Amino acid sequence: EAQVTQNPRYLITVTGKKLTVTCSQNMNHEYMSWYRQDPGLGLRQIYYSMNVEVTDKGDVPEGYKVSRKEKRNFPLILESPSPNQTSLYFCASSLSVWGGYTFGSGTRLTVV
Amino acid sequence: EDKVVQSPLSLVVHEGDTVTLNCSYEVTNFRSLLWYKQEKKAPTFLFMLTSSGIEKKSGRLSSISDKKELFSILNITATQTGDSAVYLCAVATGTASKLTFGTGTRLQVTL
Repeated sequence: EAQVTQNPRYLITVTGKKLTVTCSQNMNHEYMSWYRQDPGLGLRQIYYSMNVEVTDKGDVPEGYKVSRKEKRNFPLILESPSPNQTSLYFCASSLSVWGGYTFGSGTRLTVV
Repeated sequence: EDKVVQSPLSLVVHEGDTVTLNCSYEVTNFRSLLWYKQEKKAPTFLFMLTSSGIEKKSGRLSSISDKKELFSILNITATQTGDSAVYLCAVATGTASKLTFGTGTRLQVTL
């Protein structure tokens, strides 16, 4: 089944403890992105990648890192999480340069 | 700064009604406009519009955009309770990996 898989689905962590949210797609898509969704603010793009080793900042990259060492994987790294990073995170991928993205099921992160 | 605005913010209709959701945008280097439906968790893709004035249809849903006036509409005819969701509009710019979303229209369809 063609899909984008994120893990974990839920995560509660403490301020400052490094964490990684994994994202993997099995559709051979070149384009991948991370978003966070907050009430009243909608979906905001954190980072995106156009291919292996090619990444760029979205609208809210502060406090996040990404890497794209393989085509299928695009992990999101929070080196020192803070409570304002409590959010619902989505990974998405697209084959088309025009942007018809497939989204993962989301990761709900709480930083206390 | 790229901007996407959706209206109305929320809408309650009766089953069988027809609804029109609006999306306007101000962006640089437009590539495409996309509509998504978000029920419980992940947004699911509905339409992608790249050309002005060409309608896309899928069952009871249809969408059209106007690149000159910088807006798009999503129509849902004969609404059903299963159409209740948040509908998101997004605009792809530049390399098309850059997506800017509106905050969505919450549609509730009642019996």
